[in-house]
Amino acid sequence: AQTVTQSQPEMSVQEAETVTLSCTYDTSENNYYLFWYKQPPSRQMILVIRQEAYKQQNATENRFSVNFQKAAKSFSLKISDSQLGDTAMYFCAFMRVNRDDKIIFGKGTRLHILP
Amino acid sequence: NAGVTQTPKFRILKIGQSMTLQCTQDMNHNYMYWYRQDPGMGLKLIYYSVGAGITDKGEVPNGYNVSRTTTEDFPLRLELAAPSQTSVYFCASSRSSGRTVKGSPLHFGNGTRLTVT
Repeated sequence: AQTVTQSQPEMSVQEAETVTLSCTYDTSENNYYLFWYKQPPSRQMILVIRQEAYKQQNATENRFSVNFQKAAKSFSLKISDSQLGDTAMYFCAFMRVNRDDKIIFGKGTRLHILP
Repeated sequence: NAGVTQTPKFRILKIGQSMTLQCTQDMNHNYMYWYRQDPGMGLKLIYYSVGAGITDKGEVPNGYNVSRTTTEDFPLRLELAAPSQTSVYFCASSRSSGRTVKGSPLHFGNGTRLTVT
């Protein structure tokens, strides 16, 4: 069974700093996708970034980038020049490529950006 | 664009009552999901559907039922509400499986906060 682990329940950083959220996962699959979702206080779930396991190049999306280490099964999210609006819960998610596609989420990291 | 719409936004149930959480999407997505989010526990998959007429259990299906008679709708039924079902429920949809549309992300509704007392 696939599992997703986020080892940092809560983090705080000053505005404009860079912060890295960690995520590890366990799977025997070779082909899969990884996601980071953001959940602000509004409760809405928003896709931040997506990584395809067969691509070695790390995904980037403006101030958000990932460090994907397939052998280590690690998928960390880096937020550069953090902004107050980045305050949210962040969930790492795993999606296997199979006929029974399911998306498994980690428990989340609560990120506070301090003014 | 409405996206994924969930109703109601809030509901309080008494133990033993029944209710249906509604979910509809207007993006013609064939995959739909129900998750529950408990504090500090992330999202747990309850049921999912890969298309009309097809449903399957997720990680925590006990106490729930679903149906998928149309592509657009995926209601979640609680037959005998229990305090353990107090949670925030999210419906989500995606365009296709990872094989055919590579890693299509989930589109979420805004959630239903359910309290069972």
